[in-house]
Amino acid sequence: EIVLTQSPGTLSLSPGERATLSCRASQSVSSSYLAWYQQKPGQAPRLLIYGAYRRATDIPDRFSGSGSGTDFTLTISRLEPEDFAVYYCQQYGSSPHTFGQGTKLEI
Amino acid sequence: EVQLVESGGGLVQPGGSLRLSCAVSGFTFSSYWMHWVRQAPGKGLVWVSRINSDGSSTIYADSVKGRFTISRDNAKNTLYLQMNSLRAEDTAVYYCARDRSISWPGMDVWGQGTTVTVSS
Repeated sequence: EIVLTQSPGTLSLSPGERATLSCRASQSVSSSYLAWYQQKPGQAPRLLIYGAYRRATDIPDRFSGSGSGTDFTLTISRLEPEDFAVYYCQQYGSSPHTFGQGTKLEI
Repeated sequence: EVQLVESGGGLVQPGGSLRLSCAVSGFTFSSYWMHWVRQAPGKGLVWVSRINSDGSSTIYADSVKGRFTISRDNAKNTLYLQMNSLRAEDTAVYYCARDRSISWPGMDVWGQGTTVTVSS
């Protein structure tokens, strides 16, 4: 099983700042098979990034993904108030399709 | 409008069974792979199972293998999760989700979730 480790666990920033979230895999993951999700309290998750760097439909361009192999990054260039949420990475390279434990982005 | 609506959750005793349903509308259900994902109270997302478009291929998380069965009825535009031998640790909100693509996967449409509570 591929274990995804996200860091930091909690990230405290202010609107307008840049956020960098990390996702490290225990084995190499094809870039095609790495996705990022945002989840707000009481809501279902929302797909942000697929294929490591491809933005999903209607996702603002302040969200970007990068990385390959075992190290992937989600960057939010300028935080908006609505961006404060929990972020998860997920791999589809092998079964089970594991999620990371999440990074909470707080004000 | 693309929509997934889960149902079938509830309170069940340990060792009991439940069948979750996910009714789909607004897109061609038979063209998409589908997933179940769960989230225990206050915890993170856990992938549970995936089924391919015609139902011929399924995979499961180790924690549910042999107890849960994913299936679909493309004629009824409905995804199912049969859950047997339920345990307290299966307590969670269960989401169904659509996979956008085989080549570039990602769950791009989610239901609102249905709550399963396993308790005596």
